Amino acid sequence: AQKITQTQPGMFVQEKEAVTLDCTYDTSDQSYGLFWYKQPSSGEMIFLIYQGSYDEQNATEGRYSLNFQKARKSANLVISASQLGDSAMYFCALRRRGSTLGRLYFGRGTQLTVWP
Amino acid sequence: DVKVTQSSRYLVKRTGEKVFLECVQDMDHENMFWYRQDPGLGLRLIYFSYDVKMKEKGDIPEGYSVSREKKERFSLILESASTNQTSMYLCASTYTRLNNEQFFGPGTRLTVL
Repeated sequence: AQKITQTQPGMFVQEKEAVTLDCTYDTSDQSYGLFWYKQPSSGEMIFLIYQGSYDEQNATEGRYSLNFQKARKSANLVISASQLGDSAMYFCALRRRGSTLGRLYFGRGTQLTVWP
Repeated sequence: DVKVTQSSRYLVKRTGEKVFLECVQDMDHENMFWYRQDPGLGLRLIYFSYDVKMKEKGDIPEGYSVSREKKERFSLILESASTNQTSMYLCASTYTRLNNEQFFGPGTRLTVL
């Protein structure tokens, strides 16, 4: 079974500071993908960043970067220069190649609060 | 702009009613998904579909059924709604490639009284 663990139910960070949201995963697959989504209080799920298991470089998208440590099976999201609008729930998700055809396995999420 | 739409943002139903939640995507995606989201539990997969008329059970299919008669439309059916099905329901769709993200609809907040 695939498992995604987000150990931080809640995180607080001051505006303009960087924050790291933890994600560890458990899979026996060699090829897989890792995704991070943001869910503001309005409820929509917003895709942030993707990391493939064979990607040599850590993924980056603007202020978001992924600290991917394959041997440790961790894929932590780093948000630099936090903004008030970053306050949201963040989900880490795993996608397997092959038969599950696009299914994502989600963690339980981390609620990030950015304060002024 | 890609779009996944859901028929209702908010829905209130009575126990025992049959409930239909509709999801439509305009991206020609093969795969579509229904999740429910409850506080502290993250997103849990109810059912998914990889082609017209094809469906697979997710982790919590009990009490639900689905229908996919057309590629762009995926319906979730609560045959006899119960109070423990009060939740946020999210629909998503994606292509088959590993690096393709899922696109989500805005969600339906269902309350069963």
